[in-house]
Amino acid sequence: AQSVTQLDSHVSVSEGTPVLLRCNYSSSYSPSLFWYVQHPNKGLQLLLKYTSAATLVKGINGFEAEFKKSETSFHLTKPSAHMSDAAEYFCVVSRTGSWGKLQFGAGTQVVVTP
Amino acid sequence: DGGITQSPKYLFRKEGQNVTLSCEQNLNHDAMYWYRQDPGQGLRLIYYSQIVNDFQKGDIAEGYSVSREKKESFPLTVTSAQKNPTAFYLCASSIGGAGNEQFFGPGTRLTVL
Repeated sequence: AQSVTQLDSHVSVSEGTPVLLRCNYSSSYSPSLFWYVQHPNKGLQLLLKYTSAATLVKGINGFEAEFKKSETSFHLTKPSAHMSDAAEYFCVVSRTGSWGKLQFGAGTQVVVTP
Repeated sequence: DGGITQSPKYLFRKEGQNVTLSCEQNLNHDAMYWYRQDPGQGLRLIYYSQIVNDFQKGDIAEGYSVSREKKESFPLTVTSAQKNPTAFYLCASSIGGAGNEQFFGPGTRLTVL
C-alpha cells in the first residue's frame, strides 16, 4: 500500500528566505507524485506533478521539487518565501492499481513572518 | 471559465437531518471525487465515480451516499447515520486513469448543531 509522510506539521520562515517542505513516500512501483497548496477555507491548487519524465520538477509560483528514488523523497523548495506563500501544503502519491485515486499526506502548515 | 463549483460554501444543519452538498464541473472530466478534510488529517476519500451512472466507495463511505446521473454533477448526501459529520468537504474531478492530477472545488464547510 502507498503512504505519504510529511515530516513537518508546521514550518515557519521569514519572508525572503528559502522554504523546504519534506515529504517521504512508500510505493511498490514508480508512482506519480504531486504537491498541492491550500489557502484557508479554499480548495486545493496543484503546484507541481512528477510522472517520471524528469527528477527535478518546476511548478507554479517559483516552487520546485526533486524526486529521489533512492531516498523515497519528494521535497518541495522555494528559494525565497513570499507572504502569499502562507498556506497548507500537501504531498500526494498516486495509489497502486487504483485508477486515479490519490493518497494524501497530513499536510504542512507554512507561516511566513515579515 | 472552466472549473468546479460547490454550493453552498457554508451549511448548518441540525443533528439527525440529511443534507446534500452540490458539486458541478464543466471541465468535461469523466472522474469525480468527494473528500472529507479534518484538521491535521489531510484528505480522506469518501466516494468516487469513474463514469456516469457508476460510483464506488472510498475509505470512509459509511454514513454518506452519492449519485452520478450526469457527467457534470456528483452530489453528496450526508445522512443521519454519519456519526461526526461536521467537516470541510471537497469535491474534485480528473480525466481519470492512473497518475492524473485532480482539480478541486472551493469546498463546503458543514456544521451540524
